[in-house]
Amino acid sequence: QVQLVESGGGVVQPGRSLRVSCAASGFTFSNFGMHWVRQAPGKGLEWVAIIWFDGNNKHYADSVKGRFTVSRDNSKNTLYLQMNSLRADDTAVYFCARETRSDISGYYLEYWGQGTLVTVSS
Amino acid sequence: EIVLTQSPATLSLSPGERATLSCRASQSVSRFLGWFQQKPGRAPRLLIYDASNRASGIPARFSGSGSETDFTLTISSLEPEDFAVYYCQHRSNWPPSITFGQGTRLEIK
Repeated sequence: QVQLVESGGGVVQPGRSLRVSCAASGFTFSNFGMHWVRQAPGKGLEWVAIIWFDGNNKHYADSVKGRFTVSRDNSKNTLYLQMNSLRADDTAVYFCARETRSDISGYYLEYWGQGTLVTVSS
Repeated sequence: EIVLTQSPATLSLSPGERATLSCRASQSVSRFLGWFQQKPGRAPRLLIYDASNRASGIPARFSGSGSETDFTLTISSLEPEDFAVYYCQHRSNWPPSITFGQGTRLEIK
């Protein structure tokens, strides 16, 4: 069965960096686009980034552009999010998610990890 | 940039009642609209894709309808486990990005 397991969250000071990971299993990782979505405490869902199946295209939300970098290692079935210059408003649970293309070419986040909490605080 | 607006923000109903949740897009998204359910401390779960197709394992009491800018998620008869927060979602093709609505909290009356 499809499994996504995030790791690497924790408490980090403002201005510092952190990398979170997402280990995938149960499907051919190199065939699917992957996303990062975050959720601040008590708030709604916010999309963060997408990376193409082959890693050749990446796009980001304006709120993280220039600070966050998404990457993947298809040989290790792992997705990464490198977060630099962290701010207090980056505090959130970070979810990785796999997108699935529907028959009419819509894209949906069908599978999600359990999330990893990143807290930015001094 | 497409904006998704959900209404109401909170819906208070009793088990057995019918729930109707709305999602309005700021411009046409054709039928490319999904619905998610999220319970506290859990990841979101895909319920509906392409506006009206139930995802794998989703009970028949969940149904979706709509196209272009106006979409509805209906739960025909609420079960206790249905009380949660619901989000609509659209994925733009270019630039590729995902937009979520702000959510509707379905609470027990």
